[in-house]
Amino acid sequence: GESVGLHLPTLSVQEGDNSIINCAYSNSASDYFIWYKQESGKGPQFIIDIRSNMDKRQGQRVTVLLNKTVKHLSLQIAATQPGDSAVYFCAEGTGGYNKLIFGAGTRLAVHP
Amino acid sequence: GAGVSQSPSNKVTEKGKDVELRCDPISGHTALYWYRQSLGQGLEFLIYFQGNSAPDKSGLPSDRFSAERTGGSVSTLTIQRTQQEDSAVYLCASSEDRGWNIQYFGAGTRLSVL
Repeated sequence: GESVGLHLPTLSVQEGDNSIINCAYSNSASDYFIWYKQESGKGPQFIIDIRSNMDKRQGQRVTVLLNKTVKHLSLQIAATQPGDSAVYFCAEGTGGYNKLIFGAGTRLAVHP
Repeated sequence: GAGVSQSPSNKVTEKGKDVELRCDPISGHTALYWYRQSLGQGLEFLIYFQGNSAPDKSGLPSDRFSAERTGGSVSTLTIQRTQQEDSAVYLCASSEDRGWNIQYFGAGTRLSVL
């Protein structure tokens, strides 16, 4: 399928290492944040979300950290696997309204 | 299937032609969204439907773009007089209700305008 994000920043990691993908969001009024994973030729797949009343949320092998002071969001993936290779997007939303504003994305490349 | 379904998966058209892109949301989801993803870019919001409320069309880039949602379910995005800069992947998502509910995406329609 068509590649997503040919000119995106790329994070290269070794299989088994932990990965950290960072995102700076734009609107200090945003109160909802979400991470998606997108593989080539597919639509974005939900990973994890967090509301602004929290600063950390954990899922299976993934953790999202939110720092509202500096408007920064990160996604941590533990024990990264080749299947984690994809483009990762953060998105922000405001006021319970579902229009999401997406970041440009980061490509994660996992090497065996 | 249980997910968001979009058709066609690929569409090649000539400049100046009209195209229609279809989205079948997840059954029971009242909210439906259209986004556009150009090569190397993030997703750009186009339009949002919620139940019987008037749609939010604030993201539509020009009056050549329109969308409708019939019966609160299937939606069609129409692009009239297509131009080369309309080439992109058009993604549809649905969620359960307004408020903070996860948006689930379809695989998209890849539109190529020659």
